[in-house]
Amino acid sequence: DAGVIQSPRHEVTEMGQEVTLRCKPISGHDYLFWYRQTMMRGLELLIYFNNNVPIDDSGMPEDRFSAKMPNASFSTLKIQPSEPRDSAVYFCASSLGGGSEKLFFGSGTQLSVL
Amino acid sequence: SQKIEQNSEALNIQEGKTATLTCNYTNYSPAYLQWYRQDPGRGPVFLLLIRENEKEKRKERLKVTFDTTLKQSLFHITASQPADSATYLCAHESGGSYIPTFGRGTSLIVHP
Repeated sequence: DAGVIQSPRHEVTEMGQEVTLRCKPISGHDYLFWYRQTMMRGLELLIYFNNNVPIDDSGMPEDRFSAKMPNASFSTLKIQPSEPRDSAVYFCASSLGGGSEKLFFGSGTQLSVL
Repeated sequence: SQKIEQNSEALNIQEGKTATLTCNYTNYSPAYLQWYRQDPGRGPVFLLLIRENEKEKRKERLKVTFDTTLKQSLFHITASQPADSATYLCAHESGGSYIPTFGRGTSLIVHP
C-alpha cells in the first residue's frame, strides 16, 4: 500500500485566495483525520471523519475552514479566504478503527500564505 | 481540561547511551498513550501504544512505561544511534472520543 497520500506537498498563495488540500487515505481505513502543525501550537486536530461522516469539527478554527469526504478514498480541506496565520503544515491521517488505533500520517502539505 | 506536556528542550546524548523522554499529563489518567516519531518534512510514524492498565511495553530497543501515580509516561531508547535523532511525540485519548491528542514533541539528537 502506498500509505496516506496528500497533495500538494507545498502550496504558496496570497492572502484572500482559496486553498484546497487533498488526501487519499489507506484503503480500508474507516477513520480520517486532518491535523495542523505549527511551532507555537504543535499538532492540533482540526476534524475527523468516520465512514465518510464528519464526527467532530470542533478543532476547525473558523468558518473559513471546511472539510469534505465525498467517498472512502478522498477528502479535502478547504480554506477560503486564506490568511497569513493559516500558514502551517497540514497533515492527513487515517486509521483502521478509532480510539487507540494507531494513526498513519501522510507527508503533509506545507502551506504558506503571503 | 487535560493537558499533555513534553519537554520542549532538545535532548542531546552520546551514541550508545539510553535516551529517556518524558510525557506528563495533568488531570485524569488517559486510557492509553501512544508514542510517535517524526522526522523533518515527514508525518509522524507510530512506534508504541501503552494502555492504562499496563506498566511497560517493549519493542526492540524501545521501552515505554506508564506511571499513573506520577501521571507520566517515559519513553526509552537503549543503545541509541545517530539514526534515532528525530522528534518524538506522545499522544493520549481526548475525552469521550478517544481520538489521539498530541503533545508538542521533544527533539532527540544523538551525537556520534
